[in-house]
Amino acid sequence: NAGVTQTPKFQVLKTGQSMTLQCAQDMNHEYMSWYRQDPGMGLRLIHYSVGAGITDQGEVPNGYNVSRSTTEDFPLRLLSAAPSQTSVYFCASRLGQGADAQHFGDGTRLSIL
Amino acid sequence: AQKVTQAQTEISVVEKEDVTLDCVYETRDTTYYLFWYKQPPSGELVFLIRRNSFDEQNEISGRYSWNFQKSTSSFNFTITASQVVDSAVYFCALSEGLYSGAGSYQLTFGKGTKLSVIP
Repeated sequence: NAGVTQTPKFQVLKTGQSMTLQCAQDMNHEYMSWYRQDPGMGLRLIHYSVGAGITDQGEVPNGYNVSRSTTEDFPLRLLSAAPSQTSVYFCASRLGQGADAQHFGDGTRLSIL
Repeated sequence: AQKVTQAQTEISVVEKEDVTLDCVYETRDTTYYLFWYKQPPSGELVFLIRRNSFDEQNEISGRYSWNFQKSTSSFNFTITASQVVDSAVYFCALSEGLYSGAGSYQLTFGKGTKLSVIP
């Protein structure tokens, strides 16, 4: 079982470049989300989706775009990378609401120079 | 709005000591779910346990135990006879019930407690 797969694992960008972090899950989960993890800040929600075609903003959405064209995929786009976006990014999925546990990908370590 | 507070930022213990990680939550829902996750130095997030608001029984799994008290809105995690492999960041999280709209899909995380077990 692959679970939640994130690519790439590491990436270095220059300020102003754009890129897409890929996330795919093979568990037919409705809910997918993106977090960033920074020292002392815990996990902060960037964007989430409750199903194909439905996305919404989380706590820190500025500078990021998402789309959900299929149940399986939930890419995160950095439009114009800034040093403040240097972080570790986690994609997660969850079958539904309430009691369902959230499953995480292994993370993408992103550095913006 | 829901909130999770992990007041302990970092804890250091010597191997074989017991340690308790505190988690206090806030929610207006009567139905909610609490979770603990472990993030070892390798970086992945590992699900440890889930507890629903209707079940206040404490749970024990090997050296791990969880104490859920609705009266104090706490869901504390105790490691007995700690080992070096327990060194990690531990996150407590809260999910609201099924009828809270899109919010019930979201897990709200505390900022985490970094546990260092010294040999």
